[in-house]
Amino acid sequence: GENVEQHPSTLSVQEGDSAVIKCTYSDSASNYFPWYKQELGKGPQLIIDIRSNVGEKKDQRIAVTLNKTAKHFSLHITETQPEDSAVYFCAATDSWGKLQFGAGTQVVVTP
Amino acid sequence: DTAVSQTPKYLVTQMGNDKSIKCEQNLGHDTMYWYKQDSKKFLKIMFSYNNKELIINETVPNRFSPKSPDKAHLNLHINSLELGDSAVYFCASSDRSSYNEQFFGPGTRLTVL
Repeated sequence: GENVEQHPSTLSVQEGDSAVIKCTYSDSASNYFPWYKQELGKGPQLIIDIRSNVGEKKDQRIAVTLNKTAKHFSLHITETQPEDSAVYFCAATDSWGKLQFGAGTQVVVTP
Repeated sequence: DTAVSQTPKYLVTQMGNDKSIKCEQNLGHDTMYWYKQDSKKFLKIMFSYNNKELIINETVPNRFSPKSPDKAHLNLHINSLELGDSAVYFCASSDRSSYNEQFFGPGTRLTVL
């Protein structure tokens, strides 16, 4: 089955700097890669996703890149703000149609 | 306006008891899910239903039994609760499949004493 690894587990950045979270996956049949943000006490919320026919996608300050050959994808947050502080999860839908999540990255943006 | 709602938000109970968590979505989605998030924040799928039919059933103890009375509801019943069942349980829904955005509920924090 699919195995999604996510790094780093924690990330501390100064406000205004960029944050990068990286994930790798094992199932070459995976073709949908969403990123979720979970704020304290809330459920995860989709912030951006990418499908395997696209290499990069951008939405304002967040962007995701996908390298299908290497089986890795990354989340980039530019000009970080305190409200970006949260746990971020990458995920991949495996060949069985199940969404497998990475272990999460706790992002802390310090003013 | 709530998209995916769960009740209760908190559930504290003794070992051995039976409890239920309810989930409702008003998004018109046909696929619903239950996830378990452990103390280390790891999210793992437990079940998935499409149009009231079970389509994903992970390796979950038989003490956990989902029930979908209609497309908008997916309830989770847990028998003979154990300490290890303590976690946050999230319900989610999506349009058609896991290949589309999943909308998560606010979670139910279950504590088994």
